[in-house]
Amino acid sequence: QQPVQSPQAVILREGEDAVINCSSSKALYSVHWYRQKHGEAPVFLMILLKGGEQKGHDKISASFNEKKQQSSLYLTASQLSYSGTYFCGTAQTGANNLFFGTGTRLTVIP
Amino acid sequence: DTGVSQDPRHKITKRGQNVTFRCDPISEHNRLYWYRQTLGQGPEFLTYFQNEAQLEKSRLLSDRFSAERPKGSFSTLEIQRTEQGDSAMYLCASSKVQGLQYTYEQYFGPGTRLTVT
Repeated sequence: QQPVQSPQAVILREGEDAVINCSSSKALYSVHWYRQKHGEAPVFLMILLKGGEQKGHDKISASFNEKKQQSSLYLTASQLSYSGTYFCGTAQTGANNLFFGTGTRLTVIP
Repeated sequence: DTGVSQDPRHKITKRGQNVTFRCDPISEHNRLYWYRQTLGQGPEFLTYFQNEAQLEKSRLLSDRFSAERPKGSFSTLEIQRTEQGDSAMYLCASSKVQGLQYTYEQYFGPGTRLTVT
């Protein structure tokens, strides 16, 4: 039930954009995105619900394609502070826990 | 509100010993989760509580692992007869959940890093 994330790692220069994908083989009710910096706890970014919606704040946004059971996280005009590992967590309909992907390590360099 | 806290932050133990970790969730959060995270992996679900009731345990969770949440406040995770494969970061998270569908953000604690020698 673990979702698959891609790419596994990406290196960006400040100001560049990136897309991180999260796919599941199961029908999903919600997709949760978190960012974890080295040695720290995961920090919540946003939740997307079944119904195919988009959300965003600042320069980070995400979409959820219910038909494909896929979510994408969009980071635009990346900043050094965006560096970290991004995890998607997925919840199936009726489930009460999340299954997290293996993560995408994002490194932003000056 | 200071967020989710975990104690200890680091624990080194010898194989075969028992260890216990504590998690204090955000007050008024009725749901509490335990995860295990190894290097390069995402958090792996272990178990969760709704108030004081343990509602689900991962099938991967060995019988050596037990968790409690007396009175629906703090929670403890105990590992008996530790093995080197138990070495990992143990994360606790809490949520305030209403309704049936899981649409709530989880707030994670800083974790307890366990090293079994």
